[in-house]
Amino acid sequence: AQSVAQPEDQVNVAEGNPLTVKCTYSVSGNPYLFWYVQYPNRGLQFLLKYITGDNLVKGSYGFEAEFNKSQTSFHLKKPSALVSDSALYFCAVRDNNYGQNFVFGPGTRLSVLP
Amino acid sequence: DAGVIQSPRHEVTEMGQEVTLRCKPISGHDYLFWYRQTMMRGLELLIYFNNNVPIDDSGMPEDRFSAKMPNASFSTLKIQPSEPRDSAVYFCATQTSGSYEQYFGPGTRLTVT
Repeated sequence: AQSVAQPEDQVNVAEGNPLTVKCTYSVSGNPYLFWYVQYPNRGLQFLLKYITGDNLVKGSYGFEAEFNKSQTSFHLKKPSALVSDSALYFCAVRDNNYGQNFVFGPGTRLSVLP
Repeated sequence: DAGVIQSPRHEVTEMGQEVTLRCKPISGHDYLFWYRQTMMRGLELLIYFNNNVPIDDSGMPEDRFSAKMPNASFSTLKIQPSEPRDSAVYFCATQTSGSYEQYFGPGTRLTVT
C-alpha cells in the first residue's frame, strides 16, 4: 500500500528566509510525487511533480522539490518565502502499480511572518 | 476554460435527507475524481472514473454513498440518507490521461445537522 507522511503540522518562517516543508512516502513500485497548495476556501492547486529524470524539480511560484530515493523523501523548498505563500501544503504520491489512485498526506500549514 | 465547476458551494441539510453534489469537469479531461476532506481524516479519495466508467470505488464509505457519470460533462455524488458524520468538504478533480496533474474544483461544503 502507498502512504505519505508530512511530519510537521505547522511550519513558521520569516519573510525572506528559506522554507522547507517535509514529505516522506512509501510505495511498492516507482513513485510519482506531487505537491499541491490549498488557500482558504479553495480547492487544491498543483505546484510541481516528479515523475522521472532530474531529482530536483521546479514548479510554480518559485517552489522546488528534491526527490531522494534512498531517504524516500520529497521535500518542498523555496529560497525566499513570501507572506502570500502562507497556505496549506499537501504532498501526494501515486504508485504506478495502482492506477490513478493518489494518496495525499495530512497537510502542513505554512505561515510566513512579515 | 472555467475550470472544474462544482455546485452547490454550500449545502446544509438535516439528517436523513438526500444530498446530491454536482461536478462539471474541464472539457477534454477523461478522468474524474471525488474526494472528501475533513479535519480528522484529511483528504480521502472516494471514487474515480475514466471515460465515464467507475474504475475504483473502494473509498466510498458505505452504501449510502453513490456516484454517477452519465456523460463526459457531468458527474454526481449522492448521499442517501445523510448523517452528521458526512459533514465535510467534497472536492471534484479532473485530469487528462496524458498528464499527472489533477485540477480541483472549489469544493462543496456539506453540513448535516
